[in-house]
Parts: sequence; structure tokens; C-alpha cells
Amino acid sequence: EAQVTQNPRYLITVTGKKLTVTCSQNMNHEYMSWYRQDPGLGLRQIYYSMNVEVTDKGDVPEGYKVSRKEKRNFPLILESPSPNQTSLYFCASSTLLNEQFFGPGTRLTVL
Amino acid sequence: AQSVTQLDSHVSVSEGTPVLLRCNYSSSYSPSLFWYVQHPNKGLQLLLKYTSAATLVKGINGFEAEFKKSETSFHLTKPSAHMSDAAEYFCVVTLFGNEKLTFGTGTRLTIIP
Repeated sequence: EAQVTQNPRYLITVTGKKLTVTCSQNMNHEYMSWYRQDPGLGLRQIYYSMNVEVTDKGDVPEGYKVSRKEKRNFPLILESPSPNQTSLYFCASSTLLNEQFFGPGTRLTVL
Repeated sequence: AQSVTQLDSHVSVSEGTPVLLRCNYSSSYSPSLFWYVQHPNKGLQLLLKYTSAATLVKGINGFEAEFKKSETSFHLTKPSAHMSDAAEYFCVVTLFGNEKLTFGTGTRLTIIP
């Protein structure tokens, strides 16, 4: 089944404790993105990647890192999480000119 | 630069009546436009997309949208609402060939039995 998977789905952590949210797709898509969803703000893009070893900042990149060492994986790294990063995170992937497929989401709470 | 405005944060309709969710966009070039739906505690699912072909776009579950360049609008409609349509809907714009999506703030659709 074609899909985008994210892990974990739910995470509660404390301020300053490094964490990684994984994202993997099995559709051989070139493009992958991370978004955060906050009430009243819709989805905002954090980072995106156009292919292996090619990443760029989206609208809200502060406090996040990404890497794209393999085509299928695009992990999101929070080196020192803070409470304002409490949010619902979505990973997405696509081929050129086509719609993005979204993962199921990761709900992160930073205490 | 590109942006999208969803004109209603919340819409309520009775089951069996028409649905209209409004979206206006701003884009320097020819945009691609999408509507996504998000059911409670679920990810986002594509309803339909416009990519410079036919201006009236048909999507899944009986939804359709019309691209009106003169009005810079891409409103989503459905002739008859069903209880299963209750969800949040996002209008999305991107430049043709550009993977940077810009989302609207969403419209929550409530269906009254």
C-alpha cells in the first residue's frame, strides 16, 4: 500500500530534550515536506526537500532541523524543544507537479 | 508571493442542503490550487486539484470547485451535504511546479441532522 508513515504518533517530552520524528514514504517520491498545524493557523511549512541531500527552509524553520540522506526518509529533529513547539506535525511527499500525500500526523507536547 | 484566504472559519448546513466553502487566492503567476479535507484525528486527504486545465474541477465524494481567474476565487461546492462531510477543509495554493504549498486557515464544516 502506498503510504507516508510517521513515528511516533504521539509524544510527550520535556523542554530541552532532543527528539526525532521519523517520516518514511514508499512511493519513490522526490519531494518531501514537514508541516505543523496549529489552531486557527492552518498548516505551515517547516522544511522541504526536493531530493536526496537537497533541503530548504519553509515558513517556520526556527528550532527545527532535517536531513535527507535517503530518498524514502525525511526525519524532523528538534535539538532543544520548547513549549511553543507543541503542535500537530505532518509529513508529506509528492512527485513533481502532483498533489502531496500526507502522513497520519504526530502530536507533540513539550512540557 | 502567494497567499490564500478562506472567508469562513466555520460553516453549518443542514443535511441534504448545498455546501459552499469560499476561497480566494493571490499569486504572482499561474497557480495550482487544491482542496484538502481533514476528518477528526485524521491526516489530510486530497479532494480535488486545479492545474490550468478545465476551470470546473470535479473531486471525490461529489465535491467540485470552479477556478475563476477574474475573481481570484476557487470556491468548493457540493449539491447535497451528507453527515460524513463534517470535517475541516483547507484551500491550498502553489505555483505551478513549485512544491511550496501555502495553506488557508481552514473552514470547519458542521452538518446539522
